[in-house]
Amino acid sequence: RKEVEQDPGPFNVPEGATVAFNCTYSNSASQSFFWYRQDCRKEPKLLMSVYSSGNEDGRFTAQLNRASQYISLLIRDSKLSDSATYLCVVNRFNDMRFGAGTRLTVKP
Amino acid sequence: DAGVIQSPRHEVTEMGQEVTLRCKPISGHDYLFWYRQTMMRGLELLIYFNNNVPIDDSGMPEDRFSAKMPNASFSTLKIQPSEPRDSAVYFCASLLQNTGELFFGEGSRLTVL
Repeated sequence: RKEVEQDPGPFNVPEGATVAFNCTYSNSASQSFFWYRQDCRKEPKLLMSVYSSGNEDGRFTAQLNRASQYISLLIRDSKLSDSATYLCVVNRFNDMRFGAGTRLTVKP
Repeated sequence: DAGVIQSPRHEVTEMGQEVTLRCKPISGHDYLFWYRQTMMRGLELLIYFNNNVPIDDSGMPEDRFSAKMPNASFSTLKIQPSEPRDSAVYFCASLLQNTGELFFGEGSRLTVL
């Protein structure tokens, strides 16, 4: 079983839609969690950290459920520029493990 | 800061040849990671270093792969001999301890014919 699992998608949504991604992790000792974004043929970049109480950054909301060992990312009012692959990342003592990524395409 | 610098950006080689990928991390970052990305397997952690010392190399596919970090500003990933299934994008990333933000290089796209 992979340490971090994501639905690979693809998710194809119209502009303005709300879309949610989930990610599960297997190691209960994992300490911190992140969402990264990767554009086509580019390197991944940090989108946001995920805090235990949940956190929001503009149209993006991240949540963590430690009991069920999953994290989520919600994108509201999606824009064309949100089209990318979204990777969840699980950290344990600076050992950073990535999910395979969920591909999102936002269409006009 | 120049960011993480990788070279070469692209390499095409023939099966059996030695491949060396290079990485310069961000100055002051104490962790360095090598990842491999393919469509089939996503982003796989190969090995990472803390203060130039390899911490976990369990992701290295087999003995054909080796990585070194002789000093804080340089690391190499070597494949010898290379095989077509090694074709992938290899990313190097560096991290400042406990910040959680990995900074990636632009990647080295390797094609083994």
